[in-house]
Amino acid sequence: QKEVEQNSGPLSVPEGAIASLNCTYSDRVSQSFFWYRQYSGKSPELIMSIYSNGDKEDGRFTAQLNKASQYVSLLIRDSQPSDSATYLCAVDRDNYGQNFVFGPGTRLSVLP
Amino acid sequence: EAGVTQSPTHLIKTRGQQATLRCSPISGHTSVYWYQQALGLGLQFLLWYDEGEERNRGNFPPRFSGRQFPNYSSELNVNALELEDSALYLCASRGAFSPDNEQFFGPGTRLTVL
Repeated sequence: QKEVEQNSGPLSVPEGAIASLNCTYSDRVSQSFFWYRQYSGKSPELIMSIYSNGDKEDGRFTAQLNKASQYVSLLIRDSQPSDSATYLCAVDRDNYGQNFVFGPGTRLSVLP
Repeated sequence: EAGVTQSPTHLIKTRGQQATLRCSPISGHTSVYWYQQALGLGLQFLLWYDEGEERNRGNFPPRFSGRQFPNYSSELNVNALELEDSALYLCASRGAFSPDNEQFFGPGTRLTVL
């Protein structure tokens, strides 16, 4: 089992819809979780981080964490064509930044 | 506040040559991470430097090496280049007292090995 898993996609949603991106991780002791967005040919940019079970909202983005199920998700409300990118889930296994593991990413396509 | 910077933007080398890539972290950040992203593949962790020391390395051969300077900038060296080393090399930095352990990425160096 890979340490961090994501559906590769592509995930296609119509403009204005909610896009739901999922990520599972294998190491139960993981403490910190991050979502990055990467446009083709560009570097990843941090969208948000989450540490506690539950939801964390930032604008149109909501991260959800369930440590019991080892599951973290990202919801994008009112999806825009500019949201079309690859979304990377990252897990910091020991909370000191030395075991930062990225998932393979999910490609999102928002159709106008 | 300036972000992470990397140079050069593009680098073209031939097999067997050496490549040197450079990274300057966000001001105040002491940790620098290097990642390799081959075309269509995920981010592969290469090296982590903190306070001038190599703290961890990924599953890469010894010809991938680097160092961190007293001003916390970093250099990645790739010796004896192979065709499969062609990739986007990304540097990320993190603050020593960052409450969230977040890593912030530079724009990357695109290395092409011919």
